[in-house]
Amino acid sequence: EAQVTQNPRYLITVTGKKLTVTCSQNMNHEYMSWYRQDPGLGLRQIYYSMNVEVTDKGDVPEGYKVSRKEKRNFPLILESPSPNQTSLYFCASTTRAYNEQFFGPGTRLTVL
Amino acid sequence: AQKVTQAQTEISVVEKEDVTLDCVYETRDTTYYLFWYKQPPSGELVFLIRRNSFDEQNEISGRYSWNFQKSTSSFNFTITASQVVDSAVYFCALSGPQDSNYQLIWGAGTKLIIKP
Repeated sequence: EAQVTQNPRYLITVTGKKLTVTCSQNMNHEYMSWYRQDPGLGLRQIYYSMNVEVTDKGDVPEGYKVSRKEKRNFPLILESPSPNQTSLYFCASTTRAYNEQFFGPGTRLTVL
Repeated sequence: AQKVTQAQTEISVVEKEDVTLDCVYETRDTTYYLFWYKQPPSGELVFLIRRNSFDEQNEISGRYSWNFQKSTSSFNFTITASQVVDSAVYFCALSGPQDSNYQLIWGAGTKLIIKP
């Protein structure tokens, strides 16, 4: 089944404790992206990747890191999480920037 | 700069009413793409439609229809004979030309409540 998976789905952590949210797709897509969703703000792009070893900042990259060592995986790293990073996070992948995006189920992160 | 505005934060209608969700966009690109996605209460994001800037034909898919008007920079979405299952948050989004970077600009979303 074609899908984008994210883990974990729910995470409660404390300020400053490094964490990684994994994202994997099995559709051989070149493009992958991370978004955060906050009430009243819609989805905002954090980072994106157009292929292996090619990543770039989106609209809200501060406090986040990503890597794209393999085509299928695009982990999101929070080196020192803060409460303002409490949000719902989505990973997405697609064949081209202008095509339909396939989204993961979301990760709800709470930073205390 | 690119921007997508969904001015309606929340709409509430009674089942079987028609409802239109507005989407207004700003871009300097001559080639661009517009999307609608649905986010039901379960939280997943579901693709509904993509329209490119050269295709102004209206699209109809069952009870859903989309009206793209470049003259007013709008890409509105109408649900005819709404049903309770249409209750969701609907997002409009904009992407640039094929050779642009991979950035999709999203509206803030419109929460649609269909009452039985």
